[in-house]
Amino acid sequence: AQSVTQLGSHVSVSEGALVLLRCNYSSSVPPYLFWYVQYPNQGLQLLLKYTTGATLVKGINGFEAEFKKSETSFHLTKPSAHMSDAAEYFCAVNPRLLEYGNKLVFGAGTILRVKS
Amino acid sequence: EAGVTQSPTHLIKTRGQQATLRCSPISGHTSVYWYQQALGLGLQFLLWYDEGEERNRGNFPPRFSGRQFPNYSSELNVNALELEDSALYLCASSAWAAQETQYFGPGTRLLVL
Repeated sequence: AQSVTQLGSHVSVSEGALVLLRCNYSSSVPPYLFWYVQYPNQGLQLLLKYTTGATLVKGINGFEAEFKKSETSFHLTKPSAHMSDAAEYFCAVNPRLLEYGNKLVFGAGTILRVKS
Repeated sequence: EAGVTQSPTHLIKTRGQQATLRCSPISGHTSVYWYQQALGLGLQFLLWYDEGEERNRGNFPPRFSGRQFPNYSSELNVNALELEDSALYLCASSAWAAQETQYFGPGTRLLVL
């Protein structure tokens, strides 16, 4: 079964510090990979995605992620945290398998807190 | 470009009633997806509609149903509401040429009393 594991349900960083949110997946074939952000009482906003090509992908708001097939990982990073980055972040995979019918499988989410 | 829109933003129902949630996809998108985000249960896939047909269904009982209209908008119906149906219901859409990428709306928060 396809699954997504986000290490750490809560991550706290100081403003200006590096942000690292971890995501590992299990899949029999390399999936499509996504990071979404959810601000309180809002929907999900797509941060970035990996489908094919370059394994280091850049997204909005200064975030980037690297697909590492050998480690089945897709960790999200940002060099310098800003107070406005405080939100919940979800890693998701599209398994690219017929039986999954294009649905996204989500991790449990990581709440990012940014301290001033 | 307008994003995915959902209505209503909030909905309060009592047990046993029916709820209808609506979604308009991004212009040009043909696929619509529904997800449930319930407290403690995470984001769960409900339904996928494409070109008016139901293409995939998540592990939910039959009282969760929906449809997609010719203009690609969609509605989700939940019959015989139960307390545990209280959740944020998110709609997403994707383009025919890039179905793997889903864009989400703001959600409808359903509260069942």
